[in-house]
Amino acid sequence: DAGVTQSPTHLIKTRGQQVTLRCSPKSGHDTVSWYQQALGQGPQFIFQYYEEEERQRGNFPDRFSGHQFPNYSSELNVNALLLGDSALYLCASSRILLGGPNTEAFFGQGTRLTVV
Amino acid sequence: QQQVKQSPQSLIVQKGGIPIINCAYENTAFDYFPWYQQFPGKGPALLIAIRPDVSEKKEGRFTISFNKSAKQFSLHIMDSQPGDSATYFCASRGAGKLIFGQGTTLQVKP
Repeated sequence: DAGVTQSPTHLIKTRGQQVTLRCSPKSGHDTVSWYQQALGQGPQFIFQYYEEEERQRGNFPDRFSGHQFPNYSSELNVNALLLGDSALYLCASSRILLGGPNTEAFFGQGTRLTVV
Repeated sequence: QQQVKQSPQSLIVQKGGIPIINCAYENTAFDYFPWYQQFPGKGPALLIAIRPDVSEKKEGRFTISFNKSAKQFSLHIMDSQPGDSATYFCASRGAGKLIFGQGTTLQVKP
């Protein structure tokens, strides 16, 4: 079991550019959540995808968008990058249990995005 | 009502000591309380988790104590080792999303 995998591991972009980050969930998981972790802070929830739809969204602007594919993998897109978007972007996967809450969330190693 | 407050911000203990990290939450609708360990440059790794109908859970050297009435929970690390030096995050889950504390940087001295 490969666990949650993210690509790329590091990325440097210029202000105003657009970026796409990718995530493959743990085997058997159907839900993908994205988090932003600024240096020295706890992860902040961006949004969650289930059944190829955005189910929940945190307090992030529309510049942040995502997608989930039929194989449960997911992409995070950020448009018009700002210096403040520099952070570690984490993907977490879990599985929704019928009639119950999600299973435990497992995180990938993250993508370190630097905006210059 | 969505905040999770974690303390202390940093902690230094000697090898074999028992560091304790505390968290407090506000929203009584939270249904799951995990602890994550994170090493520099890595993603958070799930350590141990508890549901609100249980007051204590132990897995190996890690123990969660949960006080539902006080809306507080804590992580105890028994017989701490230098390899436990990392940043620890508590979290609370509400409506499927995790809300994290600010993190505690633990240093275990040999």
